[in-house]
Amino acid sequence: GENVEQHPSTLSVQEGDSAVIKCTYSDSASNYFPWYKQELGKGPQLIIDIRSNVGEKKDQRIAVTLNKTAKHFSLHITETQPEDSAVYFCAANYNAGNMLTFGGGTRLMVKP
Amino acid sequence: DAGVIQSPRHEVTEMGQEVTLRCKPISGHNSLFWYRQTMMRGLELLIYFNNNVPIDDSGMPEDRFSAKMPNASFSTLKIQPSEPRDSAVYFCASSPLQGSKNIQYFGAGTRLSVL
Repeated sequence: GENVEQHPSTLSVQEGDSAVIKCTYSDSASNYFPWYKQELGKGPQLIIDIRSNVGEKKDQRIAVTLNKTAKHFSLHITETQPEDSAVYFCAANYNAGNMLTFGGGTRLMVKP
Repeated sequence: DAGVIQSPRHEVTEMGQEVTLRCKPISGHNSLFWYRQTMMRGLELLIYFNNNVPIDDSGMPEDRFSAKMPNASFSTLKIQPSEPRDSAVYFCASSPLQGSKNIQYFGAGTRLSVL
């Protein structure tokens, strides 16, 4: 099956700085890589996703890069704000299908 | 749309009791997923339905766990009998599976505590 590793497990940055979270996956057939943000007491919410036919996607302050050869993908948040503080999960679909395998999560803390 | 609706939000029960968690997916979505979230194991997929049919239940931990989807707008996850190690947050997610999109939309979760 798919194995998704996520680093770091915790990340503390100063407001305005950038944050980078990295994930690796094992299934070469994976072709869909979403990122979810989970705030306290809530369910995960999709913030950005990327498919394997593109190398980078950007949406305002967040961007995701994908390196299929190396089987890793990253989330970049620029100009971080206190409201970006949450747990972020990467995921990859298993065997190019509909099931997702999630990384272990990164707790991001943005200090004002 | 109100999103994925789960009930109850919190459940406290005693070991040995039956627990039933409920989920209403987003209207029109044809896939439904049940996940369990714990500090130790993270977010784990328990079971996945497509068009009300269970497709993969390999994540269901034991026979004490069962899930049903009697129609497109309702699913249940049942634990009988419950044990303290079942304490976790249980999430339901639904997906439209239209075109090439696999986006899953999560509910707010049910926090289960088994004493």
